[in-house]
Amino acid sequence: QKEVEQNSGPLSVPEGAIASLNCTYSDRGSQSFFWYRQYSGKSPELIMFIYSNGDKEDGRFTAQLNKASQYVSLLIRDSQPSDSATYLCAGVLSGAGSYQLTFGKGTKLSVIP
Amino acid sequence: EAQVTQNPRYLITVTGKKLTVTCSQNMNHEYMSWYRQDPGLGLRQIYYSMNVEVTDKGDVPEGYKVSRKEKRNFPLILESPSPNQTSLYFCASSSPTGSYGYTFGSGTRLTVV
Repeated sequence: QKEVEQNSGPLSVPEGAIASLNCTYSDRGSQSFFWYRQYSGKSPELIMFIYSNGDKEDGRFTAQLNKASQYVSLLIRDSQPSDSATYLCAGVLSGAGSYQLTFGKGTKLSVIP
Repeated sequence: EAQVTQNPRYLITVTGKKLTVTCSQNMNHEYMSWYRQDPGLGLRQIYYSMNVEVTDKGDVPEGYKVSRKEKRNFPLILESPSPNQTSLYFCASSSPTGSYGYTFGSGTRLTVV
């Protein structure tokens, strides 16, 4: 079964540090990837998407995609307590329709003041 | 404002009493989907719809029904709810190409007693 895997955490980082969140996927033909942030009891909120190998930066967030190694990562620079949330990695896996996202179970991030 | 609207936000019901959770989007999205989220299990897809009158089962469809009579609406029906359907439910919709991921509704916290 094609899957997206994430370490459930919790990942704890001090305020101001870089938080690194990782995701691996089983299907080499997977295409685009998305990172969502979800606060407890709230709906997932899209923060980044990446389609091509390499890095994509948006403010304090950098998404990295390495298709050869089949991993996706999200870096959060200058982490703030408000970044404390669960981060979901999702991908459009090969064979699925372009609409179908497969989600990882999420990594819980805690930023310590 | 572009959004996915779910109602109700909270619902407590008794076993066997039919209920409907509504979902409506104002973005003219073709694709809509329902997920449930349980601790440790992540987001699990219940049903999805590629367009009007086109629906298909996700990973956990048992005990649920859906319909897509209009493009904007995608209600989730529980004909005879059971306690194991107690969960947090999310509706999501996607742009025609799926390029920008999903937009999620605010969620429905369902408790079946």
